[in-house]
Amino acid sequence: DIQMTQSPSTLSASVGDRVTITCRASQSINSWLAWYQQKPGKAPNLLIYRASTLESGVPSRFSGSGSGTEFTLTISSLQPDDFATYYCQQYNSYPRTFGQGTKVEIK
Amino acid sequence: EVQLVESGGGLVKPGGSLRLSCVASGFSFSDAWMSWVRQAPGKGLEWVGHIKGKTDSGTTGYAVSVRGRFTISRDDSENTLFLQMNSLKSEDTAVYYCTMSSGSFDSWGQGTLVTVSS
Repeated sequence: DIQMTQSPSTLSASVGDRVTITCRASQSINSWLAWYQQKPGKAPNLLIYRASTLESGVPSRFSGSGSGTEFTLTISSLQPDDFATYYCQQYNSYPRTFGQGTKVEIK
Repeated sequence: EVQLVESGGGLVKPGGSLRLSCVASGFSFSDAWMSWVRQAPGKGLEWVGHIKGKTDSGTTGYAVSVRGRFTISRDDSENTLFLQMNSLKSEDTAVYYCTMSSGSFDSWGQGTLVTVSS
């Protein structure tokens, strides 16, 4: 199975900050990576797929980059609505696997 | 607009069975690959399994943790996805989400809680 490791596990930031979350795969997954946002009590929401393609309706302050084994999710200017938990997920092979999550908290 | 609505969750004893349903609308269900993803309380996301669309023969795949106990099926005439869960264990306690998947999990239902406890 491909292991996905996110860092950090928790991130404290202020509104307006630039935030970067890293996701590493245990082997190459090419660009078959997605990012999700999840708020408490809600289902996850797809933000980015194929490592860098923004899902329709997702604000342009979100961006993704990377290929192979190292990926990043960047929020260019953190907004109040962005405080949530973020997950990466690989779909290069089965079983599909997720990172453990990064919780973005208010500083 | 894609809508996925799960139902069927509840409290069940260890060793028991439960069948979850997910009614889909807003897209061509019969061609869609569908998946179940679960989330234990306070934990991360875990892929449970998938079923391919009719043009891909509707074949299924499962996580090792549920293989042989869970079965995914679909009724394309009713736009409904199912998850039959047998021999349930306490570690199966989770919110179960129905998702439309093209690799990434593009759309999600609201989830249904399954609690396995005596």
